[in-house]
Amino acid sequence: AQSVTQPDIHITVSEGASLELRCNYSYGATPYLFWYVQSPGQGLQLLLKYFSGDTLVQGIKGFEAEFKRSQSSFNLRKPSVHWSDAAEYFCAVGAGGNQFYFGTGTSLTVIP
Amino acid sequence: DAGVIQSPRHEVTEMGQEVTLRCKPISGHNSLFWYRQTMMRGLELLIYFNNNVPIDDSGMPEDRFSAKMPNASFSTLKIQPSEPRDSAVYFCASSLGGNTDTQYFGPGTRLTVL
Repeated sequence: AQSVTQPDIHITVSEGASLELRCNYSYGATPYLFWYVQSPGQGLQLLLKYFSGDTLVQGIKGFEAEFKRSQSSFNLRKPSVHWSDAAEYFCAVGAGGNQFYFGTGTSLTVIP
Repeated sequence: DAGVIQSPRHEVTEMGQEVTLRCKPISGHNSLFWYRQTMMRGLELLIYFNNNVPIDDSGMPEDRFSAKMPNASFSTLKIQPSEPRDSAVYFCASSLGGNTDTQYFGPGTRLTVL
C-alpha cells in the first residue's frame, strides 16, 4: 500500500540554523510530491511540489526540497530558519486516481 | 481572488444534534476535498469530488457522515447525529485538477461536540 512517512514528530532548531525535514514515501512509480505548511489556527499552504524534471525544487519562503528516487525521499530544507517558520509541516503524495496521502506532520519549534 | 471559504469557523453543539459544514471552493476549480484533522489521527481525507461527483468517499467514518456537492460552487458535510468523537477541525480544499494538483485549503471549521 502507498504511504508517506515523516519520521520526526517534532524538531527544534535555533534561529539562523539550517533545517531539514524528512519525508519518505512508498509507491511503485514516481508520485506527485508536495510539502505543505500549517501555521497555528490556519489551513494548509503549499510550499512546493515535484511532478517531474529537475529533482531539486524551489518553493516559497526560501524552502527547497530534493527528490531522491533511490531513497524514496523528498526532504525539505532551508539554509537559515526564521522565527516565523515555526509551524507544522506536512509531506504529501498524490498518485493519481483516488490515491492521495498526507504524512503525520513534523512540528517545528524555532528558538531565538 | 477569494480563497476557499468555509462556514462556520467555529461550531459548538450537543451530542445527537445535526451539524452542517459548508464550503465554497475557488471559482474554476474542478476538485473539492473534505479533510478532518485531530491530534490522534492527523489529517484524514474524508471525501473527494471531481466535477461535483464523489470520486472517493472511503474515508467517510460511518453512515452518520454525508457530503454533497450540488453545484460547482458549494459543498456541504453533514454529521447526523453528532458524537463527541467527531470533535475536530474540518478542512475543505479545492484544486484545478484532482489530487495530483495543488490543493488550496480553507481556514477550517473547528467543531466541538459536547
